[in-house]
Amino acid sequence: SAVISQKPSRDICQRGTSLTIQCQVDSQVTMMFWYRQQPGQSLTLIATANQGSEATYESGFVIDKFPISRPNLTFSTLTVSNMSPEDSSIYLCSAPLGGRRVETQYFGPGTRLLVL
Amino acid sequence: DAKTTQPTSMDCAEGRAANLPCNHSTISGNEYVYWYRQIHSQGPQYIIHGLKNNETNEMASLIITEDRKSSTLILPHATLRDTAVYYCIATTGNQFYFGTGTSLTVIP
Repeated sequence: SAVISQKPSRDICQRGTSLTIQCQVDSQVTMMFWYRQQPGQSLTLIATANQGSEATYESGFVIDKFPISRPNLTFSTLTVSNMSPEDSSIYLCSAPLGGRRVETQYFGPGTRLLVL
Repeated sequence: DAKTTQPTSMDCAEGRAANLPCNHSTISGNEYVYWYRQIHSQGPQYIIHGLKNNETNEMASLIITEDRKSSTLILPHATLRDTAVYYCIATTGNQFYFGTGTSLTVIP
């Protein structure tokens, strides 16, 4: 089955600093997605990361705060910039895998971020 | 993507069938119904999806009404490990927008 990994699995950061989260997929995919899950809440889509073009951000999320890179078809990074305690969340990446006509999203294990 | 509505929480006795409803009355013809679950804030796990016909796999069954305005996820013999938040999503298959889901508790 498809594997999606994330690094780091968790981190504790000081406010004002930035953290870059890595997402690795074990097969080539056109699109990758980044989500945020605040404590006790559901998942919120941050952006869609397409290889070879700029990421597409959802309403309420901006590139300056959450810059995304997509250097190839198996890898993406999300940076949480100038962090504040409100950024404490689980950050998850996902990718459509499976090879069927309608693809299924698979999710990474998440990165648990605590900002002090 | 169509909005989905699910009960906030449900209980189910261990060994019994868990029936989780989802309302998606504004679903369009090209949107599929997907079900995911999330255990202990792990990454969401894919369960099943369907368009019009009922579907079954090793994890669950999906029953979609003829008008496609609602569906039911059935876990035939719930175990304690099925305790999780279950999300119903209506989507064409690209972006997945999660609602609040149903928190299922399987009771011994």
